[in-house]
Amino acid sequence: ELKVEQNPLFLSMQEGKNYTIYCNYSTTSDRLYWYRQDPGKSLESLFVLLSNGAVKQEGRLMASLDTKARLSTLHITAAVHDLSATYFCAVDIGIEYGAQKLVFGQGTRLTINP
Amino acid sequence: GAVVSQHPSWVICKSGTSVKIECRSLDFQATTMFWYRQFPKQSLMLMATSNEGSKATHEQGVEKDKFLINHASLTLSTLTVTSAHPEDSSFYICSAEGLAGYEQYFGPGTRLTVT
Repeated sequence: ELKVEQNPLFLSMQEGKNYTIYCNYSTTSDRLYWYRQDPGKSLESLFVLLSNGAVKQEGRLMASLDTKARLSTLHITAAVHDLSATYFCAVDIGIEYGAQKLVFGQGTRLTINP
Repeated sequence: GAVVSQHPSWVICKSGTSVKIECRSLDFQATTMFWYRQFPKQSLMLMATSNEGSKATHEQGVEKDKFLINHASLTLSTLTVTSAHPEDSSFYICSAEGLAGYEQYFGPGTRLTVT
């Protein structure tokens, strides 16, 4: 059974600190996605990682993908309050079938305190 | 670009009635659309994949006769929750596959409450 596991599930941190959210998955895939969700809202796409070793950065967020280890990380640098949200990773397991099929992690609820 | 809309954004219905939710790609054509369900404080679960002009593919455990999906055009997919029950209350989110084939663009979601 496919598992996509995020760690930690809850994270409370101070502004200005750095932290990393981990996303482990249990099947072969070269496509991994990171999304942000604010309370009561839908998903906002953050990063699309399409190959082993992919690294993408946007502002204070940086995501990487290691397909051999089946691990993706979302690193937060010098956190600010506006980054408080729930972050989801999702793995596409449908590649071999020619159609996307995303399986989501449980989500990491991030709270950044002033 | 790549905007997806949903209508309605929220709906309250009585138990036993049916509710239709629309998902539209506004500025691109989407051969494939997806329907997800998200219960409070939980993750998203794929319910079904909708392909224009053909039958939808429902995920295991999702009743196709209860969750009817119609993808009649390249810009519109609809989800009808038939004979809704309180346990169907959830946040329903659709997405549309982008032209490149590896990205999904998510709609704003529809919050369904069944009383």
